[in-house]
Amino acid sequence: DAGVTQSPTHLIKTRGQQVTLRCSPKSGHDTVSWYQQALGQGPQFIFQYYEEEERQRGNFPDRFSGHQFPNYSSELNVNALLLGDSALYLCASSPWTGGVIGELFFGEGSRLTVL
Amino acid sequence: KNQVEQSPQSLIILEGKNCTLQCNYTVSPFSNLRWYKQDTGRGPVSLTIMTFSENTKSNGRYTATLDADTKQSSLHITASQLSDSASYICVVTGSGSARQLTFGSGTQLTVLP
Repeated sequence: DAGVTQSPTHLIKTRGQQVTLRCSPKSGHDTVSWYQQALGQGPQFIFQYYEEEERQRGNFPDRFSGHQFPNYSSELNVNALLLGDSALYLCASSPWTGGVIGELFFGEGSRLTVL
Repeated sequence: KNQVEQSPQSLIILEGKNCTLQCNYTVSPFSNLRWYKQDTGRGPVSLTIMTFSENTKSNGRYTATLDADTKQSSLHITASQLSDSASYICVVTGSGSARQLTFGSGTQLTVLP
C-alpha cells in the first residue's frame, strides 16, 4: 500500500519563475492538504482540496494555487516566486470527514530553493 | 491569536535515557492535540492524537499526556534509541477544520550513543 508520494523531491528556481509540485494521496484517501514548512519552523497550512474543489485556505496569497484531479491527486502551483518561498512543501492526505480534519498522512515533501 | 509553544527548542540525551517534551497552547476552542515525529528532510509521522476527554495515550515507547484545563501537553520518550533523533511537533486543532490546525515549531531531539 503506497503512502503519500510527492514529486519532485528537490528543485531550484529563480525569482519570478513558476513552479508546480505534485502529490498522490494514500490509497483510500480523497482529501489532500498542502503545507509550507520553512527551515526550523512548523508547517503552515496553505489549502485543502476535496472533490476537485478548494475547501479551505490558509493565509497565503493568490500566487499559491492548486488543483485536484478525479483520481484525487493534486498539484500546487506557485507563481512569481520570491526568495521567501524557499521551503519544504508537504502534502498530506486524509479521508474526507465533512471538513473536520482527520488523521493526516504526510508525504516526504518537495524541497524548493528560490535563488 | 492561536499559538502552540514547545520547549525545549532542542535537547540532547544519551541512548537509553528517558526524556519529556513540553507543549503549551492557547488554541480555543479545542478539538484535539497531535504529536508528530519528523526526521530531517522527511514528512511528519503521526505518533498520537488526543481529544479533550483523553489525558494520556501511548504508542510504544512514546506516551503523551494532556491537561486541557491548563492547556499543556507532554510527550515522554522511554529508553531512547538513536532512531528517536528527530524533530517532535505538537499540533493543536481548534474547531477541527484543516484551517484550524496550529503547528508548534518543534523540539529537536538528538540521541547520542
